[in-house]
Amino acid sequence: DTGVSQDPRHKITKRGQNVTFRCDPISEHNRLYWYRQTLGQGPEFLTYFQNEAQLEKSRLLSDRFSAERPKGSFSTLEIQRTEQGDSAMYLCASRPTGAKTEAFFGQGTRLTVV
Amino acid sequence: QQPVQSPQAVILREGEDAVINCSSSKALYSVHWYRQKHGEAPVFLMILLKGGEQKGHEKISASFNEKKQQSSLYLTASQLSYSGTYFCGTDNDYKLSFGAGTTVTVRA
Repeated sequence: DTGVSQDPRHKITKRGQNVTFRCDPISEHNRLYWYRQTLGQGPEFLTYFQNEAQLEKSRLLSDRFSAERPKGSFSTLEIQRTEQGDSAMYLCASRPTGAKTEAFFGQGTRLTVV
Repeated sequence: QQPVQSPQAVILREGEDAVINCSSSKALYSVHWYRQKHGEAPVFLMILLKGGEQKGHEKISASFNEKKQQSSLYLTASQLSYSGTYFCGTDNDYKLSFGAGTTVTVRA
């Protein structure tokens, strides 16, 4: 068990560029979550997958955000036409099947839009 | 809808106690508690389930009032290592949503 892995750890991009982040969950965890966290705030729910199916996407997300989880393994989060307000820590978490299970978080990708 | 936590921050001396509260406007199946230290990922502390079942940390306790849709985390005889930001998470149909957090500072 190597834990949840996120790549890259840091990303600096110019406003208007597209960025893609990757999350590798703990193997056999069928549930995967993406969150956005800004300074002094809790993780804000973005989207959630069960296997390869995206079950829910936050209404707070604009159409510039998209996420995929092909084959129910790793997941990618893409932000198109980035804006300065997108600057944040993007956290991925995975969780095994069952209601009594905890989520395991990755170290996050810190995005800075300049 | 995310849960509401209180207080926003608390400062303690080693050995003192504190309570962090979490409430939700939705009926809950379970409540999760996590702690995040500066620059690190959130780490699981406890899960509390309907019916009273608990799973988690040995030295930190919590309660879950299903009818009131509230949970409380009890930091007893606090240690320096308890410093960090505590988040409660509510689980509705496996969607895990977190509160804004309570920052705990324990001083020697």
